[in-house]
Amino acid sequence: GAVVSQHPSWVICKSGTSVKIECRSLDFQATTMFWYRQFPKQSLMLMATSNEGSKATYEQGVEKDKFLINHASLTLSTLTVTSAHPEDSSFYICSARKDSSNWQFFGPGTRLTVL
Amino acid sequence: DQQVKQNSPSLSVQEGRISILNCDYTNSMFDYFLWYKKYPAEGPTFLISISSIKDKNEDGRFTVFLNKSAKHLSLHIVPSQPGDSAVYFCAALTGANNLFFGTGTRLTVIP
Repeated sequence: GAVVSQHPSWVICKSGTSVKIECRSLDFQATTMFWYRQFPKQSLMLMATSNEGSKATYEQGVEKDKFLINHASLTLSTLTVTSAHPEDSSFYICSARKDSSNWQFFGPGTRLTVL
Repeated sequence: DQQVKQNSPSLSVQEGRISILNCDYTNSMFDYFLWYKKYPAEGPTFLISISSIKDKNEDGRFTVFLNKSAKHLSLHIVPSQPGDSAVYFCAALTGANNLFFGTGTRLTVIP
């Protein structure tokens, strides 16, 4: 199978601090990883597409300086929420796509709560 | 602008009966459609997919139907089981392999 992990699964932080979330493809190489955000009772919204070794492509309305994405290897992408505020509290989900595959394999998600 | 829509936020079905989850889309350029199942505080898990060149795909208790002229797809689960209770998202894939998700339908299967 294709397993994607996220760490941490749940994080609480104070307003103004930065939080890093890791996304790892455990048994395959993922040239492309995606970061999604889900608000309660809403759809998953694509934030950015991350390609290994290059800058991430952000969706309209997503602040690239606030949500820093790094895809340093074929198995790891990180999302850093900088200067987090309570409105950034959400469920962040990553996914990874195998080469020549039509679909993505999702991580279990990270719940961020900003106090 | 929501390109993929699931107009029913919730659905309750008796165990053993058929569950029908509906999804509409607006972009005729979508060429692949997927259904994901999501439990609370977990990431979505892939369920079943269908290419735009087909109108039906079946996998065990799950069948997805695609009506391209109506820009409509549906997921049928029969027979429904209590373990099927979850939020179901339909998603559409562009040629660039980006997923657009619907807003989800919460299915409750009543024992």
